[in-house]
Amino acid sequence: DSGVTQTPKHLITATGQRVTLRCSPRSGDLSVYWYQQSLDQGLQFLIQYYNGEERAKGNILERFSAQQFPDLHSELNLSSLELGDSALYFCASSQSGTSGHNEQFFGPGTRLTVL
Amino acid sequence: AQSVTQPDIHITVSEGASLELRCNYSYGATPYLFWYVQSPGQGLQLLLKYFSGDTLVQGIKGFEAEFKRSQSSFNLRQPSVHWSDAAEYFCAVARGAHKLVFGQGTKLTINP
Repeated sequence: DSGVTQTPKHLITATGQRVTLRCSPRSGDLSVYWYQQSLDQGLQFLIQYYNGEERAKGNILERFSAQQFPDLHSELNLSSLELGDSALYFCASSQSGTSGHNEQFFGPGTRLTVL
Repeated sequence: AQSVTQPDIHITVSEGASLELRCNYSYGATPYLFWYVQSPGQGLQLLLKYFSGDTLVQGIKGFEAEFKRSQSSFNLRQPSVHWSDAAEYFCAVARGAHKLVFGQGTKLTINP
């Protein structure tokens, strides 16, 4: 158990819908990262938040957004869902967001299925 | 842009045999390198990491990896695989403190 929790574990929804994925980082970790794992793209970095502020952006679609709240949990919002958004979404956390010595701990993931 | 290549998509070994999973990276600066393991239906667990210093690093479950700057490689080794090692293994390089760039993964199957 990494100490990172993600809810829900599974999510099934229809095209055009909007969903919210939630992540709670390890106690004391200030950074939260979101990754998408799909068969065709592999593991791709989406976005990072550090202590409530966006720190880095990766291959995140405009239909997707995220935020980190004062209690440091994070939510990833996916809207206007398409079939191709079906994937496993991982959250990871780390102590720092400013140093290269940055071991990331991963949650169990949320499996999103868009029908 | 940095990238990570894992040349072997799928490897099958017998239980008790030794194992080496290959990883090559492309990165302009001193890399931070990681190996993660993903068991079926599970998240990613860190096996080991290299930041600096001794180029041979030890990890959990008896795994080790060797950083070779001249070859831009960070291969993972296991002297004797166990059936429970069946999983997918990912090599990753860290770009600063922001993101991990992952390889495509190597799926390991163990023959009894």
